[in-house]
Amino acid sequence: AQKVTQAQTEISVVEKEDVTLDCVYETRDTTYYLFWYKQPPSGELVFLIRRNSFDEQNEISGRYSWNFQKSTSSFNFTITASQVVDSAVYFCALSEAGGSSNTGKLIFGQGTTLQVKP
Amino acid sequence: EAQVTQNPRYLITVTGKKLTVTCSQNMNHEYMSWYRQDPGLGLRQIYYSMNVEATDKGDVPEGYKVSRKEKRNFPLILESPSPNQTSLYFCASRFRAATGFGYTFGSGTRLTVV
Repeated sequence: AQKVTQAQTEISVVEKEDVTLDCVYETRDTTYYLFWYKQPPSGELVFLIRRNSFDEQNEISGRYSWNFQKSTSSFNFTITASQVVDSAVYFCALSEAGGSSNTGKLIFGQGTTLQVKP
Repeated sequence: EAQVTQNPRYLITVTGKKLTVTCSQNMNHEYMSWYRQDPGLGLRQIYYSMNVEATDKGDVPEGYKVSRKEKRNFPLILESPSPNQTSLYFCASRFRAATGFGYTFGSGTRLTVV
């Protein structure tokens, strides 16, 4: 069965600290997609990144970076020099790629609440 | 602007009073789905639709109905809401990009059943 685990329920840091949000996933599919979403206090889901299972290149976007390691089934997210505006709930999610059993479902982790204090 | 539009954003209702949450997308996506978000549980799929007139249950379909009479609309129907359906609901549509699938989410509907 597919599963996504975000073991960190809440993280609190002081502004300008670096912080890493962990995501571990389980799937038997060889082709799949991984996502990170940000949910600010206003409640909407903001797409951050999509990574397919064949692309293990790490990615950097400004202060955000993602480390994808198939060997450990992890897709961790690091915010460098955190800011108060980064305070939000962050979700990691997994989706299967296709086939007759494809329900198109996104499997979400439980979410990590990040609080960045000034 | 390409988007998924949900209405209403906020709704307070009483137990047993039928309600519909609307979802509309303007991107001609075939696939649409509904999720509910509860504290500590992340988001869970309620129903999904592969295309017009093709709907199926997700992980938590009890107490909900959906319909897909046209491609752009995918309403979520609560025929007899109960307090345990108090939640934050998201509609999503799926698209195919060069590197695989992606999802566009609506802004969410915060439902309270008293």
